[in-house]
Amino acid sequence: QKEVEQNSGPLSVPEGAIASLNCTYSDRVSQSFFWYRQYSGKSPELIMSIYSNGDKEDGRFTAQLNKASQYVSLLIRDSQPSDSATYLCAVRWNGGYQKVTFGTGTKLQVIP
Amino acid sequence: GAGVSQTPSNKVTEKGKYVELRCDPISGHTALYWYRQSLGQGPEFLIYFQGTGAADDSGLPNDRFFAVRPEGSVSTLKIQRTERGDSAVYLCASSLNTNTEAFFGQGTRLTVV
Repeated sequence: QKEVEQNSGPLSVPEGAIASLNCTYSDRVSQSFFWYRQYSGKSPELIMSIYSNGDKEDGRFTAQLNKASQYVSLLIRDSQPSDSATYLCAVRWNGGYQKVTFGTGTKLQVIP
Repeated sequence: GAGVSQTPSNKVTEKGKYVELRCDPISGHTALYWYRQSLGQGPEFLIYFQGTGAADDSGLPNDRFFAVRPEGSVSTLKIQRTERGDSAVYLCASSLNTNTEAFFGQGTRLTVV
């Protein structure tokens, strides 16, 4: 069973701080990694994708991938109250599996 | 269309009834996914289409669930003899191909009473 694991939180950070969200996955042969943001009552919204080891930056967001450790993270710099949401980690498996498996999400609360 | 469109946005049905949920993907997207999300959980994979064919239906929970995509665009998820445990938000997503990011529709909230 291929799995994606996240701490459910809530993770509380003060406004302006860096929020660090973590995700581990169970299979080394994984292809693509995604972070989605989901506001309460809304559908998931893609914010970052990463395909190779290292860091990928987009504005205030940085995704970090370490395939050897089977670990992917999302850093949010200068956190804003509007960043308060659930962040879902998703993995597309390799080896013929094209479905994307989601973690249960981490709830982030940015305190003004 | 500009985004993935799902209809209806809300559906209330009685236990034992049949329901159909529709998904209209982003134009030109060949891959289409159905997920189900219960409160406090991440989306749970149901089925994935590449073109008209169901490439992976391993997430369908039982034979009451079926999905089609006859022309490689719009997809319909069909649930027979609904049960209260089927109540969830059903999400559809599409991607340009199997190696690119998937974008979600707003979902259909199904309530079985």
